[in-house]
Amino acid sequence: GAVVSQHPSWVICKSGTSVKIECRSLDFQATTMFWYRQFPKQSLMLMATSNEGSKATYEQGVEKDKFLINHASLTLSTLTVTSAHPEDSSFYICSVEGFNEQFFGPGTRLTVL
Amino acid sequence: AQTVTQSQPEMSVQEAETVTLSCTYDTSESDYYLFWYKQPPSRQMILVIRQEAYKQQNATENRFSVNFQKAAKSFSLKISDSQLGDAAMYFCAYDFGGGGADGLTFGKGTHLIIQP
Repeated sequence: GAVVSQHPSWVICKSGTSVKIECRSLDFQATTMFWYRQFPKQSLMLMATSNEGSKATYEQGVEKDKFLINHASLTLSTLTVTSAHPEDSSFYICSVEGFNEQFFGPGTRLTVL
Repeated sequence: AQTVTQSQPEMSVQEAETVTLSCTYDTSESDYYLFWYKQPPSRQMILVIRQEAYKQQNATENRFSVNFQKAAKSFSLKISDSQLGDAAMYFCAYDFGGGGADGLTFGKGTHLIIQP
């Protein structure tokens, strides 16, 4: 399987600032990565599909100008939460698809004050 | 759009006993994948078991097995000889298998409690 890392694991920021979260596929070249959001005591919701070398595709209701995704290489996708607000506080998880399953990163906990 | 329903928010079982978690889904596709993921308190998603829709045989992985009923769109997970380490949130998930990369659609999850 693929090993996926995320950085940082936990970030606290002030309202109005931007935060970048990295997702790395350590041993697998990933043309596609996914970003999910999980609010407390809720399930994972797909936010967007990150495609290497092209624009990300966003799920309905997800603001593409607020959640900027860059997938510049086969091993790295970044999610930038721009002008973060307290309601953006959540657990963000990335995954890599391979071998007909998805391999998940450990997640990033974002707290916006 | 595909939907996944887990009707049991919480289940409790005695250690060493057997428990079954329910999952139903709705899709118009004939080719897809179904998964059960475990999320312990660390929140790392761990794949428990996978089922390809075109396979009639139910998947098994050691103490974990599924009852896949394609016509009924049902995909339940049976955990035998429950262990304390099985305590976690369990999510049922759907992946369209028609080619290309697709994200997963998750159910709301079942919180499994193991009573010692």
